[in-house]
Amino acid sequence: AQKITQTQPGMFVQEKEAVTLDCTYDTSDQSYGLFWYKQPSSGEMIFLIYQGSYDEQNATEGRYSLNFQKARKSANLVISASQLGDSAMYFCAMRELLSGANNLFFGTGTRLTVIP
Amino acid sequence: SQTIHQWPATLVQPVGSPLSLECTVEGTSNPNLYWYRQAAGRGLQLLFYSVGIGQISSEVPQNLSASRPQDRQFILSSKKLLLSDSGFYLCAWSPANSYNEQFFGPGTRLTVL
Repeated sequence: AQKITQTQPGMFVQEKEAVTLDCTYDTSDQSYGLFWYKQPSSGEMIFLIYQGSYDEQNATEGRYSLNFQKARKSANLVISASQLGDSAMYFCAMRELLSGANNLFFGTGTRLTVIP
Repeated sequence: SQTIHQWPATLVQPVGSPLSLECTVEGTSNPNLYWYRQAAGRGLQLLFYSVGIGQISSEVPQNLSASRPQDRQFILSSKKLLLSDSGFYLCAWSPANSYNEQFFGPGTRLTVL
């Protein structure tokens, strides 16, 4: 089974609007971490936000927030006030802290396009 | 501050030729180091990781190998490239004993013809 599932190959959002990128995960570990990375056309992977499985509050970093719903095993990324520079591929990833602390499992990504 | 370098940035190689990609990290000691491959339109796949000099763990069996001759140097190699080795190769590091984010290098785009 896929560890990370991103069901939206592409998303469009109007500039200054908010957008939610979906991510669901599959693990039997009790301790895990969830990550979102941004990959612009240049190819570099830019870390955006992290959520630990025991964190009770949703993580926030500036315009990025992670909507963590543990029972549903979802970790959606919310980008508020979209900017043209937000256009990029976005990857959700997970690390299982007990069974595979050195492995990040990545989803297939969502391509976000911000429309002016 | 820490920085991670990869070279070359792009590479075009014929099938059957050897490969050597280099990754170096500055500004930290004893980092965990990782090699990932990203096929076109896909997510990242972990190839190798290392927790110290000479310590290499392979996640996916293939014709690639990795070495860590120095604390902050990680090398990805192949004796004979295959067409399927084409892709975007990313090196990453994380602090020792850290289970949080990994920091990625700029990547090497490899095309095997």
